[in-house]
Amino acid sequence: GIQVEQSPPDLILQEGANSTLRCNFSDSVNNLQWFHQNPWGQLINLFYIPSGTKQNGRLSATTVATERYSLLYISSSQTTDSGVYFCAVGWMTGANNLFFGTGTRLTVIP
Amino acid sequence: GAGVSQSPSNKVTEKGKDVELRCDPISGHTALYWYRQRLGQGLEFLIYFQGNSAPDKSGLPSDRFSAERTGESVSTLTIQRTQQEDSAVYLCASSSLTGQETQYFGPGTRLLVL
Repeated sequence: GIQVEQSPPDLILQEGANSTLRCNFSDSVNNLQWFHQNPWGQLINLFYIPSGTKQNGRLSATTVATERYSLLYISSSQTTDSGVYFCAVGWMTGANNLFFGTGTRLTVIP
Repeated sequence: GAGVSQSPSNKVTEKGKDVELRCDPISGHTALYWYRQRLGQGLEFLIYFQGNSAPDKSGLPSDRFSAERTGESVSTLTIQRTQQEDSAVYLCASSSLTGQETQYFGPGTRLLVL
């Protein structure tokens, strides 16, 4: 499979701070997704971003496929951003299994 | 329904028993996936179904695990002769093939094998 490494493994932020989460992967991919798993275990898709840059509110993501990494930016963090952020990659653009990293656990304190 | 649903939400069983987990994907989604998440870990791929194609079973950890899907709807994941190491959250996801194969996850089934 594809090896996916995420950093940092844990992150504690003061509310309002900004952060950058990183995802490195070991092979060329055509599918990359970022997910947020809330404290109740629900996984929510944040971005489908095999390449380029996307923004959605306070979140944005950039994938540099040729260098095999992706970054997730969180600006003006809020306590509701707490949870685990997963990066997942796949070889194909079609339906295919995703290889997940071990996640970054984010805690935002008021 | 509006999202992916899974049942039961929690299951406690004794070692050696069989269990069946159910997933209802988003209506119209042709692809369906099963993953396993052990406590504090990332997700491990188990199996995926795509339309009428043969399923990709490459992630199933042993022959005690099997899954079926009826057409493009409900799927069941069966674990036979459960072991304590099978304890985990089993997550189901579905996706469409519209060009962005975003996977939408259900709430999971928390399985505890005593």
